[in-house]
Amino acid sequence: TQLLEQSPQFLSIQEGENLTVYCNSSSVFSSLQWYRQEPGEGPVLLVTVVTGGEVKKLKRLTFQFGDARKDSSLHITAAQPGDTGLYLCAGALHNAGNMLTFGGGTRLMVKP
Amino acid sequence: DTEVTQTPKHLVMGMTNKKSLKCEQHMGHRAMYWYKQKAKKPPELMFVYSYEKLSINESVPSRFSPECPNSSLLNLHLHALQPEDSALYLCASSQDTWSPTYNEQFFGPGTRLTVL
Repeated sequence: TQLLEQSPQFLSIQEGENLTVYCNSSSVFSSLQWYRQEPGEGPVLLVTVVTGGEVKKLKRLTFQFGDARKDSSLHITAAQPGDTGLYLCAGALHNAGNMLTFGGGTRLMVKP
Repeated sequence: DTEVTQTPKHLVMGMTNKKSLKCEQHMGHRAMYWYKQKAKKPPELMFVYSYEKLSINESVPSRFSPECPNSSLLNLHLHALQPEDSALYLCASSQDTWSPTYNEQFFGPGTRLTVL
């Protein structure tokens, strides 16, 4: 069982649709980061959330950190083909030296 | 500048070869990391350097040998690798390892390693 459960694993949608990706855990994180990765490239940091209940927006992407800092979500509005990629959540456990624990990833494909 | 650079981009090596992967950052970060990523899987932590000292080794086989010559550079020396070691090797850095606010990790583009 993964410490950080990410869902869905795969998502294929049409351009213009909305979607939400979830990361859930029974552990409390001191911070949580969302990354987007394209094939053969390194993950690119999208956002870091630190405070319980925090909401951050990055253009069409909205990130939320749960009140108890155990879960997070990424919502994309009006998805575009350029959003295609692997989305990774990664939580930092304070009692693990703030090392990142990655979710299993969500592979998103947005069709034109 | 939030760039982490890695060389080479691609590497093909035989099981008897010795090679090195290189990583560099100029963000003044004091923590640097090596990850291994297999296809369709998330990155797996291998090593962590904090203030140029090895602080975490995630039970990585000795055929992988990390080195941190200074605060900007991180190397991974490879020797006698196995085909199952083929993967994308990622380097990352963060300001430090103990503050939630400053643990944002910035990744390099990776080295695609193939062991024949």
